Amino acid sequence: SYELTQPPSVSVSPGQTARITCSGDALPKKYAYWYQQKSGQAPVLVIYEDNKRPSGIPERFSGSSSGTMATLTISGAQVEDEADYYCYSTDSSANLWVFGGGTKVTVL
Amino acid sequence: QLQLQESGPGLVKPSETLSLTCTVSGGSVSSNDYYWGWIRQPPGQGLDWVGSVYYSGSTYYNPSLKSRVTISVETSKNQFSLKLSSVTAADTALYYCARWNRDILTGSMYYFDYWGQGILVTVSS
Repeated sequence: SYELTQPPSVSVSPGQTARITCSGDALPKKYAYWYQQKSGQAPVLVIYEDNKRPSGIPERFSGSSSGTMATLTISGAQVEDEADYYCYSTDSSANLWVFGGGTKVTVL
Repeated sequence: QLQLQESGPGLVKPSETLSLTCTVSGGSVSSNDYYWGWIRQPPGQGLDWVGSVYYSGSTYYNPSLKSRVTISVETSKNQFSLKLSSVTAADTALYYCARWNRDILTGSMYYFDYWGQGILVTVSS
């Protein structure tokens, strides 16, 4: 099996920076992706291929990856950014595609 | 704009087979650029990849579910389907269908970019 590990929760004040980490052994060779899931809604892709932002995603969302850790950064977090965030990637053989356990981001 | 819509029974009895269909609009399941997949989310828990299918019928399955899962595509109806056999209460979840896109550079990294709204399936007698 393969796992991506995220912290269960992150709290940030409005306008401050939130950083969510995701660790996985295959991340040095595999891209990380990030999804935002607001309560009662389907997940939305906010970062793909480590650091690319889909159209329509605010510039305050950015991604990076170094070694076995990928990071999602929300710069100048807004109240509307409160959500669960999931990282996603694959194992070294690309046979198992996994989501991290999710991080609940609270902005208050 | 691509849209996906899940459909199927919301209640399945233990030991029976869960069957769901995803109808795609605004795009074609016959496209050779994409796979199509299923993800599930137990109540209050995280996301789990179930499996994915190509228009040709080629599939990838989560090894933990592989013995019970079948995903197929019906190109004439622009749909793809999920069957999960011998269900138990542990299979109770919100089931999402989604498009499985791949990275341009290597073509080896797949990710979900368009999702349906999800359908809740409860396993109970």
